[in-house]
Amino acid sequence: GIQVEQSPPDLILQEGANSTLRCNFSDSVNNLQWFHQNPWGQLINLFYIPSGTKQNGRLSATTVATERYSLLYISSSQTTDSGVYFCAVPLPPGSARQLTFGSGTQLTVLP
Amino acid sequence: EPEVTQTPSHQVTQMGQEVILRCVPISNHLYFYWYRQILGQKVEFLVSFYNNEISEKSEIFDDQFSVERPDGSNFTLKIRSTKLEDSAMYFCASSARDLYEQYFGPGTRLTVT
Repeated sequence: GIQVEQSPPDLILQEGANSTLRCNFSDSVNNLQWFHQNPWGQLINLFYIPSGTKQNGRLSATTVATERYSLLYISSSQTTDSGVYFCAVPLPPGSARQLTFGSGTQLTVLP
Repeated sequence: EPEVTQTPSHQVTQMGQEVILRCVPISNHLYFYWYRQILGQKVEFLVSFYNNEISEKSEIFDDQFSVERPDGSNFTLKIRSTKLEDSAMYFCASSARDLYEQYFGPGTRLTVT
């Protein structure tokens, strides 16, 4: 079936470390978004990145649409980066605006 | 920066009662969405709304759910007769007509007792 898979499911880092989160999706897409869900449950938009690379401060993302994956890089992590990171794509195909979320990566940054 | 707002932030209701969750999308956006997240699970799509009608809905969005844009600014989700399993965080989102990026509100935590 159509899937969005994220890895790793859990990640524990020491403050200052770097990390890479991965999102694999099972079909070609024209939209991909990364979100951070903070401890209060809010979903914060990080990137809208259907293809290519974008950077925003310590965060950057790369999507290789032809190979059906996206990567989120966090550099020099801080405790405030803790939370769950979700990627979301429009699936099933043709549902351009129905986002399907992955199961998320739970990130814990220790002081 | 424009943002999606939702009220209330937390709603507690008894099983069988009707609830209305409210959202104010970003003002120039034309697509509106509701998603839900049961505690500890992934975010799930419920419904999308464009041009005053539902454009897509998931199998979760059954007859007990309805959506409405009662005026030029609000977008509501009504659950007619709440069940215990409706307890979840409900997110509203909006997007512009020609862009796919969706912007999410802070959510309403619904607790059904």
